[in-house]
Amino acid sequence: AQSVTQLDSQVPVFEEAPVELRCNYSSSVSVYLFWYVQYPNQGLQLLLKYLSGSTLVKGINGFEAEFNKSQTSFHLRKPSVHISDTAEYFCAVTPNSGNTPLVFGKGTRLSVIA
Amino acid sequence: DAMVIQNPRYQVTQFGKPVTLSCSQTLNHNVMYWYQQKSSQAPKLLFHYYDKDFNNEADTPDNFQSRRPNTSFCFLDIRSPGLGDAAMYLCATSGLKRNQPQHFGDGTRLSIL
Repeated sequence: AQSVTQLDSQVPVFEEAPVELRCNYSSSVSVYLFWYVQYPNQGLQLLLKYLSGSTLVKGINGFEAEFNKSQTSFHLRKPSVHISDTAEYFCAVTPNSGNTPLVFGKGTRLSVIA
Repeated sequence: DAMVIQNPRYQVTQFGKPVTLSCSQTLNHNVMYWYQQKSSQAPKLLFHYYDKDFNNEADTPDNFQSRRPNTSFCFLDIRSPGLGDAAMYLCATSGLKRNQPQHFGDGTRLSIL
């Protein structure tokens, strides 16, 4: 079975500062990895995904994430955050075969302070 | 734009009174999902359809049922809502391949009086 751990439940950061949201996963098989963002009273929106190939993945809104197989991590980063990045961020994993549905982490609340 | 639409956005019902939430999609995706999300928690998968093939999660209460009359529409029925069922309900769709991400609607926030 797969599991996802988002190490920080809340991350406050000043506007224009860099941010890293941490995600570790556990799986005995190869996986696909996703980051989603959820703004208040909205559904989840895909930020980026890792399927294979280059371990550095670029997404929307200036976010990027790096897949590290040895550390089983998929941390999300942005070099300079804006007030509009305030939202909940979910890391998710699914095995690349079989029928196991997507497994979400518990989420990290990013608060950008002016 | 192709999208996932949930209606209504806000639903209020009485304790024990059946309620139906709806979801439609213009993406022509084969897979549709229903999630329950409570405040400050991750979405919890209730069930999903691979085309017409219904898959119920083991811990989804019997009180929750779903219908998918065609590719575009999916419904969530709560037969006898309890106070603990107050939550955001999210519908999502995806293609059949596992590397395809899910596309979410904006959710229906259900309140129980």
